[in-house]
Amino acid sequence: GNSVTQMEGPVTLSEEAFLTINCTYTATGYPSLFWYVQYPGEGLQLLLKATKADDKGSNKGFEATYRKETTSFHLEKGSVQVSDSAVYFCALSGMDSNYQLIWGAGTKLIIKP
Amino acid sequence: GAVVSQHPSWVICKSGTSVKIECRSLDFQATTMFWYRQFPKQSLMLMATSNEGSKATYEQGVEKDKFLINHASLTLSTLTVTSAHPEDSSFYICSARMGNRQPQHFGDGTRLSIL
Repeated sequence: GNSVTQMEGPVTLSEEAFLTINCTYTATGYPSLFWYVQYPGEGLQLLLKATKADDKGSNKGFEATYRKETTSFHLEKGSVQVSDSAVYFCALSGMDSNYQLIWGAGTKLIIKP
Repeated sequence: GAVVSQHPSWVICKSGTSVKIECRSLDFQATTMFWYRQFPKQSLMLMATSNEGSKATYEQGVEKDKFLINHASLTLSTLTVTSAHPEDSSFYICSARMGNRQPQHFGDGTRLSIL
C-alpha cells in the first residue's frame, strides 16, 4: 500500500542555516504530494504541494520538487528563522488510498537564535 | 482562501457528558470532511471520512456510536463525542477539501480534556 517515510527529528539548526527534511514515498500511479506544518498548539497548515512529476511547490521560502525517479519530495529552505520552528508533515494522496492523506510521522524542527 | 473554522478550540468537561465539535469551511464548499485525532508528539490518526448528505465512513477501531459524525451541509460537519471518558481526552482536528485531487485544509483543532 501507499506509505510515506520522512526523516526522524528533532532537527536542530541555527538561524540562517540551510534546511533539508527528507521525504520519500511508496505509491502506484501518480499521487499528489504535500507538506503541512503544525505550529505548537495549533492545527495543520498546508505549506506547499505538487501534483505531478517535476512540479516544484513553493511557499514562504520553502521548496519541494516532486521527483518520481527517486520517489522523493524533500523540503528545503535556504535560510531558516526561529519562527520556522514547528513540526513538518509530508503526505501523499492518491487513487489507491481513495484520495485520503497518507502521512509521514512528522519531523520536529527547532531553530536556535 | 480555503479557511476552515473549528469550534470550540478547548473543552474541559466531566466524565459522562457529551461534547460537540463543529467544523466549518468558510469560503468554499467541502464535498468531503475528515476527522482526525492526534496524540502528543504523534502524527494524525484518521478517525472518519464524511461526505455531505451520506453516512460517515469510520476507520477500523473507531466506534461509530461513540464518535457521532454529521455532515449536514457542504460547509458544516460536526463530531459528537458521546458519554466522554478520560481516555477520550485528545486533540481533535478536522479538515475539508473541495474535491478528490484538492488538498485538505485544516481547522485549528480542539483540545478535549475529560476530568
